[in-house]
Amino acid sequence: GAVVSQHPSWVICKSGTSVKIECRSLDFQATTMFWYRQFPKQSLMLMATSNEGSKATYEQGVEKDKFLINHASLTLSTLTVTSAHPEDSSFYICSARGALAGGDNEQFFGPGTRLTVL
Amino acid sequence: GENVEQHPSTLSVQEGDSAVIKCTYSDSASNYFPWYKQELGKRPQLIIDIRSNVGEKKDQRIAVTLNKTAKHFSLHITETQPEDSAVYFCAAAANFGNEKLTFGTGTRLTIIP
Repeated sequence: GAVVSQHPSWVICKSGTSVKIECRSLDFQATTMFWYRQFPKQSLMLMATSNEGSKATYEQGVEKDKFLINHASLTLSTLTVTSAHPEDSSFYICSARGALAGGDNEQFFGPGTRLTVL
Repeated sequence: GENVEQHPSTLSVQEGDSAVIKCTYSDSASNYFPWYKQELGKRPQLIIDIRSNVGEKKDQRIAVTLNKTAKHFSLHITETQPEDSAVYFCAAAANFGNEKLTFGTGTRLTIIP
C-alpha cells in the first residue's frame, strides 16, 4: 500500500517561534495533499487542501498567514505554523492522494505530528 | 457545506457480540463514504468504503450499509475482538472521493473481554 511519512513525529517549541512539518509520499506521486488538525478526543478537522504547484485552499476560519502550506513537488508538502501559541498545540495529520494502480481516490494518512507550544 | 453526524460517541460491547455505528450526512452530492479506524496516537486507517451506487459492502467481519434516500450509512462489526477497540470515524465526500472528506465526530469502541 501507499506510504505517507511525516516529520517530525513530535515537537515542543516556545511561544512565538515557527515550526515546520513535512509530509512526504514515499512510493507514489501525490497530486493532492490535505492537512488536518485533531484536538484530543475530537475529530479530524480539515485545515487546507494543496495541489502540487498551486496555492493551497484553506477552510473557513483557518488563517492562511499563520499556517503556511507549500506543495512544491509531487512527493512533499510542508506546513509551517508561524508565531505559534499554546492554543496551536494539537495533533497535525497530513494525507495524500494520487494516481495509483487500482484506484485513485483513497487518501493515505501520515502518522501525525504532535505539536506542543509552551 | 457537508455536515456529518455520528452516533454513538462511545460504545462498549462484549467480545463476540456485534457493534453498529451510524452516520448521517447532509449534502446529497456526497457519494463516497469511507470508514476509518484510529488507535490512540496513530494515523487513521481506512477499513472499508462504499460508493453511492452500492447499497451494501462486506469485508470479512466488517460491513457497511448505505441508504441514499435517508442520507445515512452504518458500520457493522460482527464477532468483535479486543483488537477492534479503537476510535472509528465515518466520512463523506463528493465526486467519489475526489473532493475533500468531511469527518464525523468519532465513536470510541471498547470491546470487553
